Amino acid sequence: DAGVIQSPRHEVTEMGQEVTLRCKPISGHNSLFWYRQTMMRGLELLIYFNNNVPIDDSGMPEDRFSAKMPNASFSTLKIQPSEPRDSAVYFCASSFGTSGNTGELFFGEGSRLTVL
Amino acid sequence: GENVEQHPSTLSVQEGDSAVIKCTYSDSASNYFPWYKQELGKGPQLIIDIRSNVGEKKDQRIAVTLNKTAKHFSLHITETQPEDSAVYFCAAYDPGGGADGLTFGKGTHLIIQP
Repeated sequence: DAGVIQSPRHEVTEMGQEVTLRCKPISGHNSLFWYRQTMMRGLELLIYFNNNVPIDDSGMPEDRFSAKMPNASFSTLKIQPSEPRDSAVYFCASSFGTSGNTGELFFGEGSRLTVL
Repeated sequence: GENVEQHPSTLSVQEGDSAVIKCTYSDSASNYFPWYKQELGKGPQLIIDIRSNVGEKKDQRIAVTLNKTAKHFSLHITETQPEDSAVYFCAAYDPGGGADGLTFGKGTHLIIQP
């Protein structure tokens, strides 16, 4: 398996523009997570899907952020409009686990976002 | 909710020496403690984990210890090598912590000096 695949690897955009980050989880995994990594705050969970259904989005910073998982093999994280403080590395991770018994998280290589 | 503290934030050791990274957690219900290694430009990768029914686990040069009473767990790397240089994250999983109960520490940047 190729692992979790994220695109783009790098994105530079201007404030106010829409940003869409994409993720393909490992085939067969039933959970998908979006994390944001910054020096100040470390790894923060933004949203978690189980069987394609958003379960917990309490980590999404504000309404400018949205995430979808239309099928088991694809998810998007969208920021509209983007702001400089959104600059970070965004990771997608997938796992096969059940409630109360977490499975190993497999991370993608991340999407580095810079908002000017 | 769970709170995970990780120390130190940066650790520099001579090649061949041992390195120890320590974490504490707040929720006694947490029962699973993984450690992730993140190399430059890559995503975190699981290197070792321990469950609350075990006090110690070893895999070649790395070991993890857990003290449930004190709510401490530690990562030990012996005979450090240049390829051990990376950022290491501890995490604690609380099965009652909602849909996803995994909380990460802030990370330790381990530097192996030649």
